[in-house]
Amino acid sequence: NAGVTQTPKFRILKIGQSMTLQCTQDMNHNYMYWYRQDPGMGLKLIYYSVGAGITDKGEVPNGYNVSRSTTEDFPLRLELAAPSQTSVYFCASSFGQLLANYGYTFGSGTRLTVV
Amino acid sequence: GESVGLHLPTLSVQEGDNSIINCAYSNSASDYFIWYKQESGKGPQFIIDIRSNMDKRQGQRVTVLLNKTVKHLSLQIAATQPGDSAVYFCAETSQAAAGNKLTFGGGTRVLVKP
Repeated sequence: NAGVTQTPKFRILKIGQSMTLQCTQDMNHNYMYWYRQDPGMGLKLIYYSVGAGITDKGEVPNGYNVSRSTTEDFPLRLELAAPSQTSVYFCASSFGQLLANYGYTFGSGTRLTVV
Repeated sequence: GESVGLHLPTLSVQEGDNSIINCAYSNSASDYFIWYKQESGKGPQFIIDIRSNMDKRQGQRVTVLLNKTVKHLSLQIAATQPGDSAVYFCAETSQAAAGNKLTFGGGTRVLVKP
């Protein structure tokens, strides 16, 4: 049981380049989330999904896109990378009933630097 | 190493002493709260949770206190150990929140001195 797996762990992008951050979970969780964490800050929600085919914006969605074609996968797409997107990105998942499942399971993160 | 925590408030505690980490939350409608621990280079890990119908919950060496009147949470770690060195975040949500979205606080770095 791998939990939540994120790839890559590290990436350097040039301004204007595109990339996809991959996230997959093997716990059959319905809900999945993407957060970003800037130095000295808490986590901010980018996008989330309550099931395959359903996505919705979080607090800071600009510059990102997501898709949820399967229960397991929730990729995050950066179309035109900007220095402001330099951050550590965390994917998380949950059953969707927090009271029963004690919160989210997080991946180990992707550290992205845009230069 | 992980750059998260560079500008975070820091709590320095002697090994073996008790630690108290505080968190003020913003949404009076929040009814579920979680404390997470984040070690360098890793994702946040669940420590303990509490529902709004409780004011105290205990786990192994950890206790969470909730004061809904002033919208304040605290995490107490008993007999702090070197392995407790990490950044600690509180998070809040409500059962009514779409997608059970968690809102995270800014975090506190705990440094355990031997």
